[in-house]
Amino acid sequence: GQNIDQPTEMTATEGAIVQINCTYQTSGFNGLFWYQQHAGEAPTFLSYNVLDGLEEKGRFSSFLSRSKGYSYLLLKELQMKDSASYLCAVTEGGTYKYIFGTGTRLKVLA
Amino acid sequence: DTGVSQNPRHKITKRGQNVTFRCDPISEHNRLYWYRQTLGQGPEFLTYFQNEAQLEKSRLLSDRFSAERPKGSFSTLEIQRTEQGDSAMYLCASTNPESGLEQFFGPGTRLTVL
Repeated sequence: GQNIDQPTEMTATEGAIVQINCTYQTSGFNGLFWYQQHAGEAPTFLSYNVLDGLEEKGRFSSFLSRSKGYSYLLLKELQMKDSASYLCAVTEGGTYKYIFGTGTRLKVLA
Repeated sequence: DTGVSQNPRHKITKRGQNVTFRCDPISEHNRLYWYRQTLGQGPEFLTYFQNEAQLEKSRLLSDRFSAERPKGSFSTLEIQRTEQGDSAMYLCASTNPESGLEQFFGPGTRLTVL
């Protein structure tokens, strides 16, 4: 079966750095994705990791450890507009079915 | 390219009625996915297509749900005999594995069953 765990909520201050963790258990693995979803809107793609290590893209970075079934999304220089839900998703091996976590609601305070 | 579109954006219906939603993916995307999302949850996988072939359907999906993609382009999701528990946001996403695995989501159809 599949299981993805993320913290439900996090709060951080504008300008700070926040790390959102995701652990997963899947039957096979094709890659891990992070999406951002503002309230009432559709998810938008942030990052993709298939190999171990860190992927950096501007203020956002994502890390993957396949042996530990663990990923994190790092957001630097937080802005108010970063207040959103952050969804971790994995693709199962052998298929291209995407399994999403429940998301982490990030609130950025001034 | 205008991205993934979904129609209608909102649908209010009475319990027991049938509803049909449409999704138009990005034109060169051969994979199309349907998800259901309720408040405070992540998108829940319903089904996906590669071209016109429906490759997988969630075991959680009752027989009241059916999806088609007859020509490998747009897709429809039909819910028969709607129940109040069907109230949710229905999201469509598409992808072309040859250019990347990231999914592009449509704006969703919000269904309210009274």
